[in-house]
This record gives sequence, C-alpha cells and structure tokens, in this order.
Amino acid sequence: AQSVTQLGSHVSVSEGALVLLRCNYSSSVPPYLFWYVQYPNQGLQLLLKYTSAATLVKGINGFEAEFKKSETSFHLTKPSAHMSDAAEYFCAVIPNTDKLIFGTGTRLQVFP
Amino acid sequence: DADVTQTPRNRITKTGKRIMLECSQTKGHDRMYWYRQDPGLGLRLIYYSFDVKDINKGEISDGYSVSRQAQAKFSLSLESAIPNQTALYFCATSDPRDSTYEQYFGPGTRLTVT
Repeated sequence: AQSVTQLGSHVSVSEGALVLLRCNYSSSVPPYLFWYVQYPNQGLQLLLKYTSAATLVKGINGFEAEFKKSETSFHLTKPSAHMSDAAEYFCAVIPNTDKLIFGTGTRLQVFP
Repeated sequence: DADVTQTPRNRITKTGKRIMLECSQTKGHDRMYWYRQDPGLGLRLIYYSFDVKDINKGEISDGYSVSRQAQAKFSLSLESAIPNQTALYFCATSDPRDSTYEQYFGPGTRLTVT
C-alpha cells in the first residue's frame, strides 16, 4: 500500500534557524506530493505541491521542497524560521488515484 | 466568504446520540471528502463522493454514513456516537478537471463525545 512517512512528530528550532521537515513516500509511480500547514485552531492550508513540472517547488511563506526520486523524499525547508511558522505540517501523496494519503504530521515549535 | 464551510464548528454530544456534520462549498467542485484527524495519526479518509450519485467508503467508514444532497452539500452522520469518535473532522473538495488533484479543506468541526 502507498504510504507517507514523516520523520519526527515534533521539531523545535530557534527563530532565524533553518527549518527542515522530512517526508518520504512509497510509490511505484511518480506521485503528486503536497505539504499542508495547520495553524492552531484552523483548517489545512496548502503550502506547496509537486506535480512533476519542476523538482524544486516554492510555496507560500518562504517554504520550499525538493522532490528527489532516488531518495523517494519530498522534504520541506525554510532558510530562516519565524515565530509565525509554529504549526503542524502534513505531507500528503496522491499515488495514482485521486485519494490523498496523509503522513502523521510534524509539529513545529519556534523558540525566540 | 469561505469556499468550504462546515457546521457546526464545535459540538459536544453524548454517547448513543445521532449527530450530523454538514459541509457546503461554493467552489463548484464535483468531488467531496470527509476526513477525521486524530493526534499522531494525521488525517484519515472516512467517505468520498465523486458526484451526487457516487459515494464511496474510505479507510475508516465504520460507524459513519454520508449523504450528498447536492453538488454543493455533503453531510456526515454518526448514527450512534461513541467516545472514540471524538476527533477533528474535515471536509474537502476537489475538481476532477484539476490534473494535480489538489484538495481544498474546510475549517473543521471539533466533535467531543462524552
């Protein structure tokens, strides 16, 4: 079965530090990949998506992710964390159907 | 106004009660979905509907039922609520013409079953 693995249920960084949230997928065919963010007491908002047009995808709020087929990874990065980035982040994949499969989420804490 | 709305936003109910969660969308999308979110488990698909006449079970449909009253409305029912159905419930939509299959989420309904 297709799956998504997010390494680290909690990540803590200092304000201004690099943010790296990891996502690996299992798929026998090139998938569509997504990162969603959930701010406290809010719904899910799309950060960015990979649709095979380019391996480096830029999203909102300074986030980007790189699709690496050889590593089956789609890690999310931001060069400099801001306090407002504190949220839960979900990686999701659509392998070859239109049903989203979500990872278990990573909660990002940003310390001043 | 929000494109995908959910009512109620919060609900506390007792074990054994029937409860309905409603979702409406103004995006004109044919496809609608219901998910539940539990801490540490991410989001899991309960039911999905590709059009008014097409309803499908998802990963965790036991204990739930749905109704697609119109293209814009998709309701989730708990026939006899139990405490382990306490969760955050999300509705989502997608457009079959969008080749990326992006889904658009509502704000969620926080359900507590006591």
